[in-house]
This record gives sequence, structure tokens and C-alpha cells, in this order.
Amino acid sequence: AQSVTQPDIHITVSEGASLELRCNYSYGATPYLFWYVQSPGQGLQLLLKYFSGDTLVQGIKGFEAEFKRSQSSFNLRKPSVHWSDAAEYFCAVGARGATNKLIFGTGTLLAVQP
Amino acid sequence: DAGVIQSPRHEVTEMGQEVTLRCKPISGHNSLFWYRQTMMRGLELLIYFNNNVPIDDSGMPEDRFSAKMPNASFSTLKIQPSEPRDSAVYFCATSGGQVRNTGELFFGEGSRLTVL
Repeated sequence: AQSVTQPDIHITVSEGASLELRCNYSYGATPYLFWYVQSPGQGLQLLLKYFSGDTLVQGIKGFEAEFKRSQSSFNLRKPSVHWSDAAEYFCAVGARGATNKLIFGTGTLLAVQP
Repeated sequence: DAGVIQSPRHEVTEMGQEVTLRCKPISGHNSLFWYRQTMMRGLELLIYFNNNVPIDDSGMPEDRFSAKMPNASFSTLKIQPSEPRDSAVYFCATSGGQVRNTGELFFGEGSRLTVL
């Protein structure tokens, strides 16, 4: 069965600093991988996704993520964080061939200090 | 497109009452998912439909929960009777469509349920 682990529950970074949010997945084959962002009181919005091909994927708002098969990881990065990036971030894994059924991690809450 | 529309946005009810949450998917999307979000358990998939047919309801916590999708433009999640531990934010998400299915889920803004 698929599973996702986000080891960091809460992260605080200074505005302008770089960011890396960790995500590890468990799946028997190459999965579909996603990062979503949730602002307070809102639904989840897709940041980026990996299906195949280039293992470094670019997303919206200056985010990128790298799929590393050997480490079963899909970490999210941003070189310079803005105050508006404060939100909760969810990594998700989907099985190929399934009807878009996604399993989400528990989320990482990002706080940005001025 | 208006996106996924959920109603009500907020519901406060008393234990034992029936609660019905509603979802209107994005037009043309053929998969619909109901998720529940709580602090303790995060995002849990409750049930999902494909072409209006329930495919997997293994995440539905108890018989008190039921979901229907009578047509391609409407789904409901019902809790009867409701209990305080059902308090959560319930999200509806949809995917699919005429363009190549990218697997992306489009979420509504959620229905925040409080059961007193």
C-alpha cells in the first residue's frame, strides 16, 4: 500500500532564506508524486507534480521538487522564501493506473519570520 | 470555471442531528473524492466515485456515514446521527476530464463541521 511521510510537522524560516520540506514515500513502483499547499481556511492547491521524465520538476510560486528514486524522496525546495509562503504543505502519492486516488502526508506547517 | 463548490462552508449542529454536505464538481470531471481533515489524523480519504459509481468506500469510518453521487454534477456526504468526534473539515475534490488526465485533484474550499 502507498504511504507518505513528512517528518517535519512545523518549520520556521526567515524571509529570504532557502527552504526544503522533506517527503518520503512508500510504493512498490514509480508513483505519481504531488505537492499541495493549503492556506488557512482554504482548500488545497497544487504546487507541482511528477509523473515521469526529468526528476527535477518546477512548480508555481517559484517552488521545485526533486524525485530521488534511490531515497524514495520527493523534497520540496524554494531558494528564497516570501512571507506569503506561510501555509501548510502536503506531499501526496498516487498509484499509476488507479483512478487518481491520492494518499497525503500529515503536512508541514511553514512559518516565515520577517 | 467556478471550481469545485461545496456547501455549507460552516455547519454547527448538535449531537444526534443529521448533517448533509454537498459538492458540485468541476464540469467534465469524472472522479470525485471526499476527504476529511483533522488535526489528529490529517487528510483521510473517505470515499471516491468514478463516473458516479462508488469505487472505494473503505475510508468511511462507520455506517453513520454515507455518500451518494446521483449524477455527474452533484454529490452528498451524509452523517446520521452526528457525533462530536465527527467535527472536522470535509473536502470534496475532483479530477479527470476530456483533456489527458493529469491525476491532479482540484479541491473545494471545504465544509467545516462542528458537532456539539
